[in-house]
Amino acid sequence: ETGVTQSPTHLIKTRGQQVTLRCSSQSGHNTVSWYQQALGQGPQFIFQYYREEENGRGNFPPRFSGLQFPNYSSELNVNALELDDSALYLCASSFKSGRYANTGELFFGEGSRLTVL
Amino acid sequence: GQQLNQSPQSMFIQEGEDVSMNCTSSSIFNTWLWYKQDPGEGPVLLIALYKAGELTSNGRLTAQFGITRKDSFLNISASIPSDVGIYFCAGQLWTNSGYALNFGKGTSLLVTP
Repeated sequence: ETGVTQSPTHLIKTRGQQVTLRCSSQSGHNTVSWYQQALGQGPQFIFQYYREEENGRGNFPPRFSGLQFPNYSSELNVNALELDDSALYLCASSFKSGRYANTGELFFGEGSRLTVL
Repeated sequence: GQQLNQSPQSMFIQEGEDVSMNCTSSSIFNTWLWYKQDPGEGPVLLIALYKAGELTSNGRLTAQFGITRKDSFLNISASIPSDVGIYFCAGQLWTNSGYALNFGKGTSLLVTP
């Protein structure tokens, strides 16, 4: 148990729809990172939130957006869903001592599996 | 992200055998992490390495941060059936994308009793 919880665990959407995934970080952590894991691949970095602001972004289009709340929980929003968005979406929390500090050890939730039909 | 080459892609071994897997990159990383992922679950952190040359153990697991900072290996001694899973290496460095973990494609480990 990492203390990182994600919801929902599974969901099915159709092309063009929008989805919101949620994550509660481990107690004491102030940073949340989101990753996309396609079948048979390693996780790919989407973006990171530190103290409610985006603090780094991978190679994902703007229709992938996020939020972090004052209690450090986070949401991942994906608009205009495409078939290739089908994947396991992982949230990871960690503690950073500052915006430019090493993210350190990431602790992952069990993920939200999204299927786009 | 930076390309990490993880090998072997899969391993099929007998219980009690030792296992070795490694990860290489064309880029220098300042942190190496090793994770294990079971089906339907998120990755679980096994070992974190922060200094070049560092050798760290966690029970039957031992990992090293390569001197060049471009590679790392993970050894598992005396494997048991619950070691089955996918093992990922991940390197971390600062880029204009911030601090992000770059993952390898994983090593799938199967252990027969």
